[in-house]
This record gives sequence, C-alpha cells and structure tokens, in this order.
Amino acid sequence: DSGVTQTPKHLITATGQRVTLRCSPRSGDLSVYWYQQSLDQGLQFLIQYYNGEERAKGNILERFSAQQFPDLHSELNLSSLELGDSALYFCASSEIQGADTEAFFGQGTRLTVV
Amino acid sequence: AQKITQTQPGMFVQEKEAVTLDCTYDTSDPSYGLFWYKQPSSGEMIFLIYQGSYDQQNATEGRYSLNFQKARKSANLVISASQLGDSAMYFCAMRSEIQGAQKLVFGQGTRLTINP
Repeated sequence: DSGVTQTPKHLITATGQRVTLRCSPRSGDLSVYWYQQSLDQGLQFLIQYYNGEERAKGNILERFSAQQFPDLHSELNLSSLELGDSALYFCASSEIQGADTEAFFGQGTRLTVV
Repeated sequence: AQKITQTQPGMFVQEKEAVTLDCTYDTSDPSYGLFWYKQPSSGEMIFLIYQGSYDQQNATEGRYSLNFQKARKSANLVISASQLGDSAMYFCAMRSEIQGAQKLVFGQGTRLTINP
C-alpha cells in the first residue's frame, strides 16, 4: 500500500458527461501529480500541484482541470468527455519539491467513456 | 526536453535467472532522478527503486539493483533470481526540476514474462 488513495477505482460514463476523480496524498506529502495512461499514448504527465498551487502543466486538455485543496487532497475534473478519454488516471504524491524525492502512486481510477 | 527510451517491448526469462531491463535517458538538466516502477496486470504502479543523478553508488533494493552509467545516460534495472510474480510491465522514469516545477517522464515500458 503506497498510502496514496484514489477514488473511485472504476468509472463508466457516457460521452459529453463530466466526472471528478479524487486523490488523497500520503500523509505529509505536499506535491500531487496527475497522470493519464492510455494504450496509444502511454503514461503522460498532466499536472502538478504543490501545497495548493499549480506548479507544472503537461499534456492536459482544456476540458480537464484540477485543484488541490487546503487539506492537500486533489481533484481532477474531466468534462465534455470523449471516447478517447478512456484511460487509467493515476495520482502520485511526494514529500517535498526537488528531483531527489520519491513519487508514490495511487491504484488509479479506470475511466471508461461509452 | 527529457526523454526516456526503453528498447525492449517484451522479455521472456526463465524463473530464477537474472534479468536486465534497459533504460536510456536524455536530459540537459544537472539534477535529476531516475525511477523504476512495476505495473502488474491489476494496474497499480509500484515503486521499485530510485537513483539520484549525484549518487555515487548504484541503488539497490532487495533483489532490485540499478546499473547507473551517467556518462552513457543509462539506468538499467537488474532483477536477480527472478520469480513468477515478477511478471509485469516495467517502466523507467525520470524526474527533473525546472523552476520549481517537476514531472515524471516515462518510457514506453517493457513487458517481462517469467517462465516456470
């Protein structure tokens, strides 16, 4: 158990809908990262938050947004869903900023858009 | 831009043999970290081992060791005495920090199959 909790584990929804994925980082971790894993794109970095502030953006679509709350949990909002958004979405957390810190992943949320 | 290359899409190894999974990276950042993750069929990403770019010694964690050759920009994972439970996808990743922001860049992965 990595200590990172993601809910829900599975999500099935229709095209055009909006969903929210939730992530609780490990206790004490200030950085939260979101990743998308799809069959054709592999693992792609979406966005990073550090202590409530956005720090880095990757290949995140404009239809997607995220935030980190004062209690450090984070939510990833996906709207106007398309079939191609079906993927495994991971949240990861690490203790402090800096390249020499470990990143622990949650079990992921498997999103299926039908 | 950072890039991770894993040239072995799949590998088949006999149980109890050692296996080396290749990983090369490209970065111009002076400080970076290299990671290996295991992803079994259940989907979770399991952290295996970490190597910092300034670490003088190769990282080891139980049966896992990282063969870090900085000049060649390679960070191969060595699994000793492989077990059936080692069958999974393995991802090499690199993290670097730029102006306070950081992200992990992943390779395409290697699917390891351990045969009894």
